[in-house]
Amino acid sequence: DGGITQSPKYLFRKEGQNVTLSCEQNLNHDAMYWYRQDPGQGLRLIYYSQIVNDFQKGDIAEGYSVSREKKESFPLTVTSAQKNPTAFYLCASSPDREGYNEQFFGPGTRLTVL
Amino acid sequence: AQTVTQSQPEMSVQEAETVTLSCTYDTSESDYYLFWYKQPPSRQMILVIRQEAYKQQNATENRFSVNFQKAAKSFSLKISDSQLGDAAMYFCAYRSALRDDKIIFGKGTRLHILP
Repeated sequence: DGGITQSPKYLFRKEGQNVTLSCEQNLNHDAMYWYRQDPGQGLRLIYYSQIVNDFQKGDIAEGYSVSREKKESFPLTVTSAQKNPTAFYLCASSPDREGYNEQFFGPGTRLTVL
Repeated sequence: AQTVTQSQPEMSVQEAETVTLSCTYDTSESDYYLFWYKQPPSRQMILVIRQEAYKQQNATENRFSVNFQKAAKSFSLKISDSQLGDAAMYFCAYRSALRDDKIIFGKGTRLHILP
């Protein structure tokens, strides 16, 4: 079945450690996105990529980094510079840049900093 | 900058009844798309319905329909014959047809279905 996978589902990290969240899609979508979800905040865009080897900062990119070496993969690294990393992280993809197209979401990763 | 506002953090509706979730947005653009996403307790985001701004006809998907008022910049979601499985967070979202492809989400409305 085609879809988006995120791993792991739950992730625990000690303060001061970097951690990488995985996002893979087999939908052959060009665009991929990372969102952070906090209670009462809705979804906030961290980074997005419209094509391999290119990505742009979203609204809350500080303390995060991404790479897009392959079309199907868009990993997110939460660095020690992110002051409040405990949150639910959602990855999404979209066929192309056309506004009509919806974004398809993965099941999410819950990151907890201990 | 575009903004999306959902003024109802939580709502409740009796099973089988009809409920309307409100959404307003602010934009200076004339060409855009609007979406309603559902996030059930599993936290998997699912598209419920979409509306193209250039279409005057309101979109419908089975029990879900929208009331799109372009001049008022309003995009409400009506759920008819509410079912227990409709209990979820609902997010209204905006996407420009002219600029980059970021989607802007509202903060969500949590819908409770009362048996």
